[in-house]
Amino acid sequence: EVQLVESGGGLVKPGSSLKLSCVASGFTFSSYGMHWIRQAPKKGLEWIALIYYDSSNKYYADSVKGRFTISRDNSKNTLYLEMNSLRSEDTAMYYCARGEPLAYWGQGTLVTVSS
Amino acid sequence: DIVMTQTPSSQAVSAGEKVTMSCKSSQSLLYSENKKNYLAWYQQKPGQSPKLLISWASTRESGVPDRFIGSGSGTDFTLTISSVQAEDLAVYYCEQYYDTPLTFGSGTKLEIK
Repeated sequence: EVQLVESGGGLVKPGSSLKLSCVASGFTFSSYGMHWIRQAPKKGLEWIALIYYDSSNKYYADSVKGRFTISRDNSKNTLYLEMNSLRSEDTAMYYCARGEPLAYWGQGTLVTVSS
Repeated sequence: DIVMTQTPSSQAVSAGEKVTMSCKSSQSLLYSENKKNYLAWYQQKPGQSPKLLISWASTRESGVPDRFIGSGSGTDFTLTISSVQAEDLAVYYCEQYYDTPLTFGSGTKLEIK
């Protein structure tokens, strides 16, 4: 069974940093591109980053470019999202998801940016 | 960026009724080399993560009831639920994966009368 489990969310102040993790199981992690998608409270879905299966290419939404970094460790079956210079508008549930289309999603980890 | 426009934003129907929702993209999602439309539909029930229902505009995922029907090509797509059930209460999103950034529609909220 495919599982994606996010962690690392929490309450942080504006300007601070946070690193999210997504542990994958039930499939060959190193064969799939992986994404981060977020959803602000009561809002729709916003794609924020993609990393290829071998980390050869990374893509970001304009809203996070230069502040967020996607990475992965295929030996640990883990996807990461390093978030710097956090703003109140980054407050959201953050999901990791596999492939295109986004066939499997984690349960999400909540990031709240507030003073 | 490809803009995805979903209508209506919400819809209330009675159980057993048929419902259709629309998704339009600002450019074609049909890739000429493989004749595939890079369009997916997701269902997000209250308090849950999104779930992939339909990929390639019309291919139902394993385990998805056959009352969910995806259709369309190019820039115009439709999700039809042939006979709505109470458990279909959810927000439905379309998404294009033709190009990065991946983009989603704003969603259609389905309410059951």
